[in-house]
This record gives sequence, structure tokens and C-alpha cells, in this order.
Amino acid sequence: KAGVTQTPRYLIKTRGQQVTLSCSPISGHRSVSWYQQTPGQGLQFLFEYFSETQRNKGNFPGRFSGRQFSNSRSEMNVSTLELGDSALYLCASSPLTSGGETQYFGPGTRLLVL
Amino acid sequence: GESVGLHLPTLSVQEGDNSIINCAYSNSASDYFIWYKQESGKGPQFIIDIRSNMDKRQGQRVTVLLNKTVKHLSLQIAATQPGDSAVYFCAEEPGNQGGKLIFGQGTELSVKP
Repeated sequence: KAGVTQTPRYLIKTRGQQVTLSCSPISGHRSVSWYQQTPGQGLQFLFEYFSETQRNKGNFPGRFSGRQFSNSRSEMNVSTLELGDSALYLCASSPLTSGGETQYFGPGTRLLVL
Repeated sequence: GESVGLHLPTLSVQEGDNSIINCAYSNSASDYFIWYKQESGKGPQFIIDIRSNMDKRQGQRVTVLLNKTVKHLSLQIAATQPGDSAVYFCAEEPGNQGGKLIFGQGTELSVKP
């Protein structure tokens, strides 16, 4: 099976702009989770979608949002970008129905905000 | 956020030696734990997992130990190889929060040939 894919791989934006990142899960996986990775804060959970519904949300401001489509592909959006949003954004997929199943990560999208 | 990454601990070992990476987790209600390996420029790669009803699980060259009493996880890598050099993260899944992982700060493993 193909792994988790994320597009684009690299992105440069300026403060105040918005950005949309895309994630295609492993075929058959219905859960997609998003994480932000920075040197200062490490890996932090953003949100998780299952069957087009957000089931869990981390402690991030409302500028961070996401959605999932009927084919399980997911997008996340960050509006009004701030310098501190520069990070590696990772998505992970899982068959996940009730928990306790491994999440498999994509390569990430490296976002730089200038 | 719930995961705080500060100065990354480093473990340096000689090729062929065994490595032990430790992790303290935060939530006593967590019931599923995973170890990931992350190489530079890549996403985390699954190594091994363990559920809270177990205290030990073995894979190929790797063993995970879980001590729920003190909320501690360890990853043992046998006969460490240069290709094992990477950052290793433990992650916990809080009970009833499927899809959400809380990550430790990570440990950088450096293998000297």
C-alpha cells in the first residue's frame, strides 16, 4: 500500500496570509490526525477527523481548522498566519474506529512564515 | 500545548552495543503507547507499540517495557547500528481519545561506528 502523502512538501508564506495543507491517508484508513512539530514545543496534536467529523481537538487557536472529505482525504487551514506558525505539519492516518491503533505518519509539510 | 519540547536529551552509543531510551508519560488513564523513530527531514516512523494490559513486548531487535506504577516506558534496541541514529519519541494515547497522541520530547540517538 502507498503511505500517507502530504502536499505541498514546502511552503513559504508571509504574515497575515492563509494556507491550506493536504493529506491523503493510507488506503482504507478512515482516521486522519494532524500535528505541529517545532523545536521549542515538540510534537503537538492539532485535531483528528474520522468519517468527515472532527472527534478530537488540541489546544490551538481557532485560526487552525481542518476538514475531511468522503474519500478520507483531509485538509488543514491556517488563517492569518503568524511567525510562530512556522513549523513542520504532520498528518497521520489510522484505521481507527475506537482507539488503540497505530498512526502512520506522512513526510510532513514544512511551512515557513516570513 | 500538552507536549513540551525543550533541550533534546542525547544518547551516544557504540555500534553493536545495546541502547536503552527512557520516557516518562503523563496520563495514568493512557492505555496505548507507541515508539516512533524520526530521521532528519522525514515524518515519524512506527517502531513498536504496547497496550496497558502488557508490561513487555518484543519486536525485531527492539523491546518495549511498560511500568504503569511509575508511568515509565523504555525502548531497548539490541546490537545498535549506524542506521538506528535518529530521534526517538514515545507517544501515549489518552483513554477514550482515539486519534490523539501526546508525544514525549524525544531522545536523539547517535551511534558511533
